[in-house]
Amino acid sequence: AQSVTQLGSHVSVSEGALVLLRCNYSSSVPPYLFWYVQYPNQGLQLLLKYTSAATLVKGINGFEAEFKKSETSFHLTKPSAHMSDAAEYFCAVRILDTGNQFYFGTGTSLTVIP
Amino acid sequence: SQTIHQWPATLVQPVGSPLSLECTVEGTSNPNLYWYRQAAGRGLQLLFYSVGIGQISSEVPQNLSASRPQDRQFILSSKKLLLSDSGFYLCAWSVGRVNTEAFFGQGTRLTVV
Repeated sequence: AQSVTQLGSHVSVSEGALVLLRCNYSSSVPPYLFWYVQYPNQGLQLLLKYTSAATLVKGINGFEAEFKKSETSFHLTKPSAHMSDAAEYFCAVRILDTGNQFYFGTGTSLTVIP
Repeated sequence: SQTIHQWPATLVQPVGSPLSLECTVEGTSNPNLYWYRQAAGRGLQLLFYSVGIGQISSEVPQNLSASRPQDRQFILSSKKLLLSDSGFYLCAWSVGRVNTEAFFGQGTRLTVV
C-alpha cells in the first residue's frame, strides 16, 4: 500500500531557527511527492514537488526538500523560520499504479515562537 | 489560467437536513476532481474522486454521495446529515499526469448542530 507518514504532529521553532518537517513515504514504485501548506480556514497551497528531475527541490517562501530514496524520505526544511511560516504542513504522494489519487499525511502544525 | 470555486465557505445545518456543496473548475478540460474531508487534527481523508462525467469512486462508505453532472462540476451531497459529518470539506482538481499536483479550493466549514 502507498502512504506517507509525517513524524511530529506539532513542531515549534524560534523565529530565525531552522525548520525541519519530516515525511517518509511507503511505495513499491517510484513516487511523486508534494508538500502543501494550509493557513487557518483555507485550502492547501503547493509549496514544492518532487517529480524525479532533481533530488533537491526548491519551493516557494524559502522552503526546500530533499528526496532520499535510500531513506524513503522527503523532509521539508527552511534555514530561518519566519512568523508567517506558522501553518499546517502536509506531505502527499501520488503514485502511477494507483491511478489519479493523492495520499496525504496527517499533517504537522508549525508554531513559530518570537 | 485555471481556477477552482467552492461554495459556500461556511455552513451550519441541523442534524437530519440535506447537504449540497458545489465545486467548479475553470480553465481546464476533463480534470480529475476530488472531495476531501478534514477533521480537526486528522489530516485529509479522500471521500470521492472522479476522472470523468458520471464516473465517481468512493473511498470511504458513509453518509455522503458525490455527483459530476458536468465536466467541471463536482457536487457533494447528503440526504440526512449526521453530527459526525461536521468538518472542513475541500474540493480539488488535477490533470491526469501523475507528476502534477492537485489544486485546492478554499474549503467549506460545515457544522452540523
